[in-house]
Amino acid sequence: DGGITQSPKYLFRKEGQNVTLSCEQNLNHDAMYWYRQDPGQGLRLIYYSQIVNDFQKGDIAEGYSVSREKKESFPLTVTSAQKNPTAFYLCASSKTGASYEQYFGPGTRLTVT
Amino acid sequence: AQKVTQAQTEISVVEKEDVTLDCVYETRDTTYYLFWYKQPPSGELVFLIRRNSFDEQNEISGRYSWNFQKSTSSFNFTITASQVVDSAVYFCALSVHGSGNTGKLIFGQGTTLQVKP
Repeated sequence: DGGITQSPKYLFRKEGQNVTLSCEQNLNHDAMYWYRQDPGQGLRLIYYSQIVNDFQKGDIAEGYSVSREKKESFPLTVTSAQKNPTAFYLCASSKTGASYEQYFGPGTRLTVT
Repeated sequence: AQKVTQAQTEISVVEKEDVTLDCVYETRDTTYYLFWYKQPPSGELVFLIRRNSFDEQNEISGRYSWNFQKSTSSFNFTITASQVVDSAVYFCALSVHGSGNTGKLIFGQGTTLQVKP
């Protein structure tokens, strides 16, 4: 089945530790995105990539980093510099361009204490 | 700048009632795309519909219908004869062709719909 996988579903970390969230897609999409969702809030864009080995900052990139070494994979690292990392993180992919819908993974709920 | 506003934070209806979720958008681009997504309790967003700025035809898909009006910058979503399985958070989103045609989505805050049996 084609789709997007994110692992793990739940992740717990101590404050001050970096943590990497996985996102893999087998939809052959060029574009991939990371969003953050806080309770009662809409989704905010962290980073996006339209092609392998290239990515751009979204609206809330501070404290996060990404890589795009393979078309299928777009991991997100939440660094210790992120002041409030506890949130629900969603990865998405799409064909390149504004007209295409994005397909989302199941999300990772990160809790930092 | 682009913006999407979903003024209804929460809506509660009884099963079989019709319900309309409002979405108002702002953009100066002439070419843009509007989307609706459903987020069930599992958390994954499910794509429902896309509409481009040049197509104001309303669309119906089963119990779902969408009303796009450029004159009021609105893209409202109606569920007819609601069911308990419709309970979810619904997001309206906008992407614009300008600024590099990146496909970035601007989301509204979401409307939580609760359908009671």
